[in-house]
Amino acid sequence: GAGVSQSPSNKVTEKGKDVELRCDPISGHTALYWYRQSLGQGLEFLIYFQGNSAPDKSGLPSDRFSAERTGGSVSTLTIQRTQQEDSAVYLCASSLRSYGYTFGSGTRLTVV
Amino acid sequence: QKEVEQDPGPLSVPEGAIVSLNCTYSNSAFQYFMWYRQYSRKGPELLMYTYSSGNKEDGRFTAQVDKSSKYISLFIRDSQPSDSATYLCAMSGSNTGKLIFGQGTTLQVKP
Repeated sequence: GAGVSQSPSNKVTEKGKDVELRCDPISGHTALYWYRQSLGQGLEFLIYFQGNSAPDKSGLPSDRFSAERTGGSVSTLTIQRTQQEDSAVYLCASSLRSYGYTFGSGTRLTVV
Repeated sequence: QKEVEQDPGPLSVPEGAIVSLNCTYSNSAFQYFMWYRQYSRKGPELLMYTYSSGNKEDGRFTAQVDKSSKYISLFIRDSQPSDSATYLCAMSGSNTGKLIFGQGTTLQVKP
């Protein structure tokens, strides 16, 4: 596609449930990133995939968070046993270079 | 202390004003410096990027990097109501794609 596609655009879930967020990067982009943006806050790095290298998971806030990237393309961010503090906008981006990300519009997650 | 500091504002200016947005940082390894613009309920979009120190101009926008002071700026000339958005600075080292973002400054340009 022409841009980075994220789904769903909005997700409301009950505390304790698991959620999966999907990201379709721009075709051919080798790098894929997940960030989290809380209300009034900047972007918090979560995880970074680059080609076939081991992902940089240093930003994942707890072991309830995990992500995978299948076939070097689509990525899924999974949050297990969701908590209210997980409520945020989850942004995915892809790039060809070490700068110049293209972001998706994000998934707005609300945990009630 | 955060690696990248940015005044969140909000900043309100009249149409036609010159706007100055700034970030400071602490990591001397940063080599790539970027400004992103984010409209409400949208993902950030790349506005300007600069490698190492210096100035870069693109239309009404000028980005400046002063590595000796660990300080970057974005200037917007002849600001327009359509410039109303949140502006995020971002930076990375030379051997990683991971960007570190500032908190973002919310700008409102009043007609």
